[in-house]
Amino acid sequence: AQTVTQSQPEMSVQEAETVTLSCTYDTSESDYYLFWYKQPPSRQMILVIRQEAYKQQNATENRFSVNFQKAAKSFSLKISDSQLGDAAMYFCAYRALSSDSNYQLIWGAGTKLIIKP
Amino acid sequence: KAGVTQTPRYLIKTRGQQVTLSCSPISGHRSVSWYQQTPGQGLQFLFEYFSETQRNKGNFPGRFSGRQFSNSRSEMNVSTLELGDSALYLCASSLWSRDPSYEQYFGPGTRLTVT
Repeated sequence: AQTVTQSQPEMSVQEAETVTLSCTYDTSESDYYLFWYKQPPSRQMILVIRQEAYKQQNATENRFSVNFQKAAKSFSLKISDSQLGDAAMYFCAYRALSSDSNYQLIWGAGTKLIIKP
Repeated sequence: KAGVTQTPRYLIKTRGQQVTLSCSPISGHRSVSWYQQTPGQGLQFLFEYFSETQRNKGNFPGRFSGRQFSNSRSEMNVSTLELGDSALYLCASSLWSRDPSYEQYFGPGTRLTVT
């Protein structure tokens, strides 16, 4: 069964610095999607970035980028120039492409990111 | 375009009671998923509905049920509430449930407290 592990329950970073959140996953599939979602305090969860496994190039969205290491089954999120508004819970999620999986999202436990002013 | 809405936002119930939560997806979205979020267990998948049919179901007891209407609005029901059902219940909608790249759009959640 696929699993997603976020080993850092909490991370803190100084405003304007760079922080990397870790995510590892376990799967026997060769193609799949990986996602990072952000859940700010008392606000709705939103998609930050997504990556398809067969694409070698790491996805980027403005200050957010990923380091996707397929062989190592690692999908870390780098946030550059951290801002106070980045404070949130960050969830890593996996979705297989096989119809057997019913395309269900598998979620990590989340990492709470604290931004120090 | 209006986002995903969930009602009520907050709810307090007593053990043994039942509760119904409602979710209105983004206009045009036909897939609705429900999640239970707790500090201890994180985000756990309850079920997914697409075109009024349950397509996926998580590992929850039969006390948890749901349905989807022809306008894609969805409800989930929890019967015989237990203290452990206290959680934030999130609803997420998406455009199409069979495109693996699809993004889920989340509602603000319903905070259920069982006393």
